[in-house]
Amino acid sequence: EAGVTQSPTHLIKTRGQQATLRCSPISGHTSVYWYQQALGLGLQFLLWYDEGEERNRGNFPPRFSGRQFPNYSSELNVNALELEDSALYLCASSFGTGFKPQHFGDGTRLSIL
Amino acid sequence: GQQVMQIPQYQHVQEGEDFTTYCNSSTTLSNIQWYKQRPGGHPVFLIQLVKSGEVKKQKRLTFQFGEAKKNSSLHITATQTTDVGTYFCAEENTDKLIFGTGTRLQVFP
Repeated sequence: EAGVTQSPTHLIKTRGQQATLRCSPISGHTSVYWYQQALGLGLQFLLWYDEGEERNRGNFPPRFSGRQFPNYSSELNVNALELEDSALYLCASSFGTGFKPQHFGDGTRLSIL
Repeated sequence: GQQVMQIPQYQHVQEGEDFTTYCNSSTTLSNIQWYKQRPGGHPVFLIQLVKSGEVKKQKRLTFQFGEAKKNSSLHITATQTTDVGTYFCAEENTDKLIFGTGTRLQVFP
């Protein structure tokens, strides 16, 4: 069984630009979650998508947005990039909703210059 | 951001010593999950605890859920160098998973 895949592995942008990160969940998983992990810190919940709908979002500004496609893959878009957006962005998927174990991808390292 | 408190923040042990990390919440939890993140890796699900006072074991790892369901612990017996990493607890809060601040474990051979 293929795990959660994320692309790109690394992304370098400058302030004010826009970034798009992609995630493919484990086959059969309908829920996709996005987290931000700044260097050496914990995971901050960003967004949760299930069945193509945004179900919940964390305490992040509106320039963080995303969507889930009919095949359950997902995109995270970050507009007007700021230096503090530099972090590892992790995607996770789970089967169904509720408090289910989440399976994480290897993440996208976003660096803002 | 919203996070669950874990202590200690760091722990350095000699190989063979025991290790414990504690997770404390201000609210009563419906259940709690534990994850391990190796250096440079991604979090990996370890276990989920649901019942008050529940104790579960995975080889040298013992997970416990408090009687009042407000705290949890992870204990590793006789640590090995393969145990190195950051251990996170995670609680469900208003339909989202809130991760603890994590405990970074370093094991010296």
